[in-house]
Amino acid sequence: NAGVTQTPKFRVLKTGQSMTLLCAQDMNHEYMYWYRQDPGMGLRLIHYSVGEGTTAKGEVPDGYNVSRLKKQNFLLGLESAAPSQTSVYFCASTPQGGLGYEQYFGPGTRLTVT
Amino acid sequence: AQKITQTQPGMFVQEKEAVTLDCTYDTSDQSYGLFWYKQPSSGEMIFLIYQGSYDEQNATEGRYSLNFQKARKSANLVISASQLGDSAMYFCASGEFRGRDDKIIFGKGTRLHILP
Repeated sequence: NAGVTQTPKFRVLKTGQSMTLLCAQDMNHEYMYWYRQDPGMGLRLIHYSVGEGTTAKGEVPDGYNVSRLKKQNFLLGLESAAPSQTSVYFCASTPQGGLGYEQYFGPGTRLTVT
Repeated sequence: AQKITQTQPGMFVQEKEAVTLDCTYDTSDQSYGLFWYKQPSSGEMIFLIYQGSYDEQNATEGRYSLNFQKARKSANLVISASQLGDSAMYFCASGEFRGRDDKIIFGKGTRLHILP
């Protein structure tokens, strides 16, 4: 049982390049989330999904797209990377919505855009 | 809209003392939950404690307790008998639970330093 995994762990992009971050969970969780963490800003919700085939915008969705084609995977895409997207990206999942469910976090992806 | 406020960017506490980390939240929903997470320097997010809006008693987990004051919209984390290993970033988070659009948002965090 690997929990929540994120690929890659580190990446350096040039401005304008595109990439996809993969989040995978093997716990059959319904809900999945993408956050970015910047110094002094805490974790900010980018997009989330309440089930396979669904996605919704969070607090800071601009410049990102997501897809949840399979229940176990949640992909975060950057179509044209900008230096402002330099951050640590965390994926998380919960069994379902409702009260009492802690989020299980991945180890994070450190992305640098030059 | 949901909002979490942590007013203490950093704190220094002597080992073995109790620590209170402040958190206030803003939500219009009646049904919500409050969470605390710890992030050590290694970077992983560690779940500490949860409080539901309908829970009548304050949540406790070992040395962690959540001082829940609903009328003040306050959910402070109390760490008793602090240890050097408690030095870390601490995040308060809230979730509004509406059945199909449940999201969890975080505050900016408090960096706790435990002094020997």
